[in-house]
Amino acid sequence: AAGVIQSPRHLIKEKRETATLKCYPIPRHDTVYWYQQGPGQDPQFLISFYEKMQSDKGSIPDRFSAQQFSDYHSELNMSSLELGDSALYFCASSDSYEQYFGPGTRLTVT
Amino acid sequence: DAKTTQPNSMESNEEEPVHLPCNHSTISGTDYIHWYRQLPSQGPEYVIHGLTSNVNNRMASLAIAEDRKSSTLILHRATLRDAAVYYCILPFLSGGGADGLTFGKGTHLIIQP
Repeated sequence: AAGVIQSPRHLIKEKRETATLKCYPIPRHDTVYWYQQGPGQDPQFLISFYEKMQSDKGSIPDRFSAQQFSDYHSELNMSSLELGDSALYFCASSDSYEQYFGPGTRLTVT
Repeated sequence: DAKTTQPNSMESNEEEPVHLPCNHSTISGTDYIHWYRQLPSQGPEYVIHGLTSNVNNRMASLAIAEDRKSSTLILHRATLRDAAVYYCILPFLSGGGADGLTFGKGTHLIIQP
């Protein structure tokens, strides 16, 4: 079965640079969620989109923004990167109440 | 999301059943109980969910107390691949689906060979 695709899988950036993470949901899933998981921590919800509209917002920094496109893929844009942004970023998709997670993008900020 | 309480860790032997408890004493009448797990170096994985009745699927069973203030995830025959952090979550559900999940500390399940 098709799964959630995230790209890139690994990304290395320097402080103050920008990064864009992409998420391709499971076909026919209309909701996308973004989560951040720091080293040794539990996943933390950032933001979600339903039918291309923002539907829920968690602890997403103002430096981050996201959107969902007409083909339902989503992008998380991160600017003015800080060392503390180094983490695993997971995207999940859903067509009902269960969320299906991708493999994650590991972002390292140096 | 309503608050849940789980043991920090549990240990079991391979090929034995595992019962993972979760307390959710402030659960409301419309809260579904969801379980996710996260294997090492992987994204979280949906396991099972239920409202009032016990539920079974190919991965696990969910036993829900009659007063719904607690539930138990049951792995009938644990394998080494079941070693993971298990999260009990009561997501807020709206007409369009679930809001973002609030992952608590979860239970770190250790499986001994």
